[in-house]
Amino acid sequence: EVQLVESGGGLVQPGRSLKLSCAASGFTFSNYYMAWVRQAPKKGLEWVATISTSGSRTYYPDSVKGRFTISRDNAKSSLYLQMNSLKSEDTATYYCARHDFDYWGQGVMVTVSS
Amino acid sequence: DIQMTQSPSVLSASVGDRVTLNCKASQNINKYLNWYQQKLGEAPKLLIYNTNNLQTGIPSRFSGSGSGTDYTLTISSLQPEDVATYFCFQHNSWPLTFGSGTKLEIK
Repeated sequence: EVQLVESGGGLVQPGRSLKLSCAASGFTFSNYYMAWVRQAPKKGLEWVATISTSGSRTYYPDSVKGRFTISRDNAKSSLYLQMNSLKSEDTATYYCARHDFDYWGQGVMVTVSS
Repeated sequence: DIQMTQSPSVLSASVGDRVTLNCKASQNINKYLNWYQQKLGEAPKLLIYNTNNLQTGIPSRFSGSGSGTDYTLTISSLQPEDVATYFCFQHNSWPLTFGSGTKLEIK
């Protein structure tokens, strides 16, 4: 059974950093592109980042480019999202997903507030 | 960026009704269109991928169609458990984008 479990969320002040993790199991992690998607409270979904199987290629929308960094450790079947220079508009539930967007984690909440 | 416009934003229908949800892309997305169902407090669930392919385990009352810029999700006979918000999603080109959702309610 495919499982994606996010961790690392919480309350953080504007301008600070936070790193999310996603532990994957039930599939060959190294064979899949992986992604992060977020959802602001009572809002729609926004794709945040994608990483290739080896980690050599990454993709971001303009809203997070230069502030967020997606990475992976295939040996640990883990995906990460380093978020720097956080803004209030980054407040959201962050979901880890396979880049086929067929399996999603349960999400982790990030609140950016002073 | 490709804008995805969903209509209606809210849809109220009766159990057993045939329901149609619409999604329009601002440019051709070559059928790279997925549909998701999100219930309150849960992660999105994939229903349909690449316009008309039913994801494993999804009831056959769900179907998708479309091409070019216009896409449709149809529920052939609405069930109480279908109450949710439905999102379309294009993965044809970067940045990947979602529609704003259709909230489906039971009358």
